[in-house]
Amino acid sequence: AQSVTQLGSHVSVSEGALVLLRCNYSSSVPPYLFWYVQYPNQGLQLLLKYTSAATLVKGINGFEAEFKKSETSFHLTKPSAHMSDAAEYFCAVSASSGSARQLTFGSGTQLTVLP
Amino acid sequence: KAGVTQTPRYLIKTRGQQVTLSCSPISGHRSVSWYQQTPGQGLQFLFEYFSETQRNKGNFPGRFSGRQFSNSRSEMNVSTLELGDSALYLCASSLAGTGRDTQYFGPGTRLTVL
Repeated sequence: AQSVTQLGSHVSVSEGALVLLRCNYSSSVPPYLFWYVQYPNQGLQLLLKYTSAATLVKGINGFEAEFKKSETSFHLTKPSAHMSDAAEYFCAVSASSGSARQLTFGSGTQLTVLP
Repeated sequence: KAGVTQTPRYLIKTRGQQVTLSCSPISGHRSVSWYQQTPGQGLQFLFEYFSETQRNKGNFPGRFSGRQFSNSRSEMNVSTLELGDSALYLCASSLAGTGRDTQYFGPGTRLTVL
């Protein structure tokens, strides 16, 4: 069984400040990890994914995440927040076998960027 | 390439009715997954189809069903609608549905049950 925990359902940062969104996962097999972003009334857009290559993954719009196996974490960061980053962010886990191939999502973090 | 398309975008139904939602995957993608998104339960996996076969199913009642056609387009059906079925239904496609494949999401169908 797999699960994802996103700490903080709401995060507020000032424009230009560091963005840190936390994600911890649980998986009995080597995981694949994803971060998606959702803007109002839209579907989910992939920001980045980890598939067992480099542990530091760079994504779109200046976001990056680091896979830390010892901490079972995959936190999302961006050095400088922009107003356009305001959205809901979802961390998700999958694996290579059976039903685990499907994405299991965290509960999401709503990011607010203050001017 | 065109993205994942879903029709209709919005739907209003009454309790007891049934509904069919449609999803067209990205060209070349053979796996289609469906998810339900609600404020209370978040994003939950419904089912996945690959080459017209259902490979995985989430923990939803039998009122929720789906199918996939030979061109990879997929439909999901909900019978005997309940108020709790009001949700955003998201379709996602991927090349082969392996765990490492990126799933590309459509804009969703917003279903309101009155």
